[in-house]
Amino acid sequence: ELKVEQNPLFLSMQEGKNYTIYCNYSTTSDRLYWYRQDPGKSLESLFVLLSNGAVKQEGRLMASLDTKARLSTLHITAAVHDLSATYFCAVVRDMRFGAGTRLTVKP
Amino acid sequence: GAGVSQSPSNKVTEKGKDVELRCDPISGHTALYWYRQSLGQGLEFLIYFQGNSAPDKSGLPSDRFSAERTGGSVSTLTIQRTQQEDSAVYLCASSLQQDTANEQFFGPGTRLTVL
Repeated sequence: ELKVEQNPLFLSMQEGKNYTIYCNYSTTSDRLYWYRQDPGKSLESLFVLLSNGAVKQEGRLMASLDTKARLSTLHITAAVHDLSATYFCAVVRDMRFGAGTRLTVKP
Repeated sequence: GAGVSQSPSNKVTEKGKDVELRCDPISGHTALYWYRQSLGQGLEFLIYFQGNSAPDKSGLPSDRFSAERTGGSVSTLTIQRTQQEDSAVYLCASSLQQDTANEQFFGPGTRLTVL
């Protein structure tokens, strides 16, 4: 059975700090997605990673994909409070999402 | 353009009652997905429709759950004889086509509470 594992599940950061969220998956897939969910809201697409070595950046967030290692990372640079949310990675082809990383950025 | 819409936004029902949840996908999207998200949890896949193909029902938790998609557009998720453990947010998503680079676009969800 396909497993998608994220870590950490909870992350409390100070503003201005950097951190990385990891997403491991157990099947061969060359496609991985990252979503953001604010409390009480639905999911918003952040990144679509389509091939090995793909790297995408948007503001303070950068996502990468290593299909050989079956690993994707979401790197946060100089965190700000507005980034507080839950972040999900997903192997969408298999309809499998990670459990989510709840990020809190504190002043 | 309009995104994925779901109705109702909130539904409170009594244990044992049947409920129907509706999803209107983005126009032109051939793939439609239903997920369930329990409080503080990730997404649990329920069912997937792609065009006129037979749906992938592999995620449905029990035979009390069923879904239809009429005319390749609107979908209805039905839960019969609801139980308290069915309480969750039910999310619908659509995409242009599965097995392409097109990501899923999510609706706002229906929050189901079974008393």
